[in-house]
Amino acid sequence: KQEVTQIPAALSVPEGENLVLNCSFTDSAIYNLQWFRQDPGKGLTSLLLIQSSQREQTSGRLNASLDKSSGRSTLYIAASQPGDSATYLCAVRFQETSGSRLTFGEGTQLTVNP
Amino acid sequence: NAGVMQNPRHLVRRRGQEARLRCSPMKGHSHVYWYRQLPEEGLKFMVYLQKENIIDESGMPKERFSAEFPKEGPSILRIQQVVRGDSAAYFCASSPGMNEKLFFGSGTQLSVL
Repeated sequence: KQEVTQIPAALSVPEGENLVLNCSFTDSAIYNLQWFRQDPGKGLTSLLLIQSSQREQTSGRLNASLDKSSGRSTLYIAASQPGDSATYLCAVRFQETSGSRLTFGEGTQLTVNP
Repeated sequence: NAGVMQNPRHLVRRRGQEARLRCSPMKGHSHVYWYRQLPEEGLKFMVYLQKENIIDESGMPKERFSAEFPKEGPSILRIQQVVRGDSAAYFCASSPGMNEKLFFGSGTQLSVL
């Protein structure tokens, strides 16, 4: 069964700190992996998409890495700001499901304190 | 280019009524996905559609739930005879093709009284 796990479930850091969010998945046969952020009561905003052939993707202060063989991805946030406070979701497109869906982790709730 | 549009934003129904949730994908996107987020739970896949076709409905309950994506107009997620357990946030996403980046709407919060 394809599953996605995110650790930790919640994280609180002071403003300015660099931080890493972790995502692990049970099947290395994937098409791609996508990181999202979700603000309370809102929809999902796509942050980064990493194809299975890629090792990392960068956008501004965000860097996502992918180690397919070990079933792991990390989202690195540099110089965190209070506006980064949100729930961060990792989602994987497994080949087993013919790529027809994303399987989501439970998310990491991030709080950046001023 | 407007994003994925969902309406209504909030929907209140009494037990036994029908709920209709609408989703207009981004312009140029022909692939639509519906997800459900129950309170304190993660997002769960429900159904994947392309224009006029249901491709994968393995995540959708067998009874009371149906989805369509007609040639013209928005995708509709229909829940008949709603029960309290249907209360959740329902999100729609679209993509230009299979295995491409998904873009999500703001969701419809369904509350069943």
